[in-house]
Amino acid sequence: DAGVIQSPRHEVTEMGQEVTLRCKPISGHDYLFWYRQTMMRGLELLIYFNNNVPIDDSGMPEDRFSAKMPNASFSTLKIQPSEPRDSAVYFCASSRLDSLGQYFGPGTRLTVL
Amino acid sequence: AQTVTQSQPEMSVQEAETVTLSCTYDTSESDYYLFWYKQPPSRQMILVIRQEAYKQQNATENRFSVNFQKAAKSFSLKISDSQLGDAAMYFCASSRPQGAQKLVFGQGTRLTINP
Repeated sequence: DAGVIQSPRHEVTEMGQEVTLRCKPISGHDYLFWYRQTMMRGLELLIYFNNNVPIDDSGMPEDRFSAKMPNASFSTLKIQPSEPRDSAVYFCASSRLDSLGQYFGPGTRLTVL
Repeated sequence: AQTVTQSQPEMSVQEAETVTLSCTYDTSESDYYLFWYKQPPSRQMILVIRQEAYKQQNATENRFSVNFQKAAKSFSLKISDSQLGDAAMYFCASSRPQGAQKLVFGQGTRLTINP
């Protein structure tokens, strides 16, 4: 099994630019999660999907953030416009209903200058 | 709401020795899951061990074991025969048992292994 795949691994952009992060969950997993990790706030859940439908987006910090899951094998997290305080590591994770624990991708380190 | 607290920002241990990382949690749920994740410098989050709260027996995975004290809401991780590859940030996490198992993480403990 390939595991959760995220791209890009690193992204450097300038303030005001649009950023799109991508995730491919493990095949057969019906839950997908987006987390953000910062020194100040630790690991925070941003949003999660079940069977491609967004279930809880209460962790999305602002309207500048949006996430989609057009099919079972692909999800995006978009920030538009980006700001320096969005700099963080963004993780995607997936799981099955009957599994214990989530499986994380390698993360995308985002730097907004 | 669930909260998870790790009171040890940093720990160190000599190679081949045993170390215990502490975690306490709070939840109003009657059933829940608890996890330890490892994050090495590569930043990959790796599931180390998991415990279902309704099970009294402590979970064990090779050199990793937990001490689950439900009444005290404590969930510590013991690493036996520490190896250099165990050096990492360790995160304790909890989730509800149904549905999506949203994870709530502690602040993390940085473990250093001294050769």
